[in-house]
Amino acid sequence: AQSVSQHNHHVILSEAASLELGCNYSYGGTVNLFWYVQYPGQHLQLLLKYFSGDPLVKGIKGFEAEFIKSKFSFNLRKPSVQWSDTAEYFCAVLMASSYKLIFGSGTRLLVRP
Amino acid sequence: DGGITQSPKYLFRKEGQNVTLSCEQNLNHDAMYWYRQDPGQGLRLIYYSQIVNDFQKGDIAEGYSVSREKKESFPLTVTSAQKNPTAFYLCASSALSVQGELFFGSGTQLSVL
Repeated sequence: AQSVSQHNHHVILSEAASLELGCNYSYGGTVNLFWYVQYPGQHLQLLLKYFSGDPLVKGIKGFEAEFIKSKFSFNLRKPSVQWSDTAEYFCAVLMASSYKLIFGSGTRLLVRP
Repeated sequence: DGGITQSPKYLFRKEGQNVTLSCEQNLNHDAMYWYRQDPGQGLRLIYYSQIVNDFQKGDIAEGYSVSREKKESFPLTVTSAQKNPTAFYLCASSALSVQGELFFGSGTQLSVL
């Protein structure tokens, strides 16, 4: 069965530190890839997405992610985190020609001021 | 003000009881989804629907039922057959033209008395 793995369940960083959250998926075909974020007390919302083209995609609030097809990975990065980035981050994968979006287990990020 | 409305915010279920969670959207989206969120497990897909009067099972459909009689509405019934219903339930919708870009509601927390 298709699955999405997020290896870091909890991450604690100080402000200005760099962030990288791992995401791997198991599916051999064409995929669309997403990162969603849930800030405390807010709805889950889209952070960035990859459909095709440049494997390095940029999202809101300075986040970016790189799709590495050979590694089945779509890691999320930010060069310098802020306290306001404290949230739970979910990687998600959509198989081509499907409406079934599969989520990873999430990573809780705590940024200390 | 467009969006997805889930009600109630909190719901309690007695042993052997069926309960229904409401989800309404005014975004004119064709696709709607129900996810279950448990701590440390991310979001797991219960059911999804691409068009009115049609829906498909997700990964954990057992003990749940849905209907899609109207484009705007996608209620979820948690039946007595669901032995572990305590969870946070999220409804989402998307336009068919942008698969995977989901808009989420604020969720319903279901607990068992």
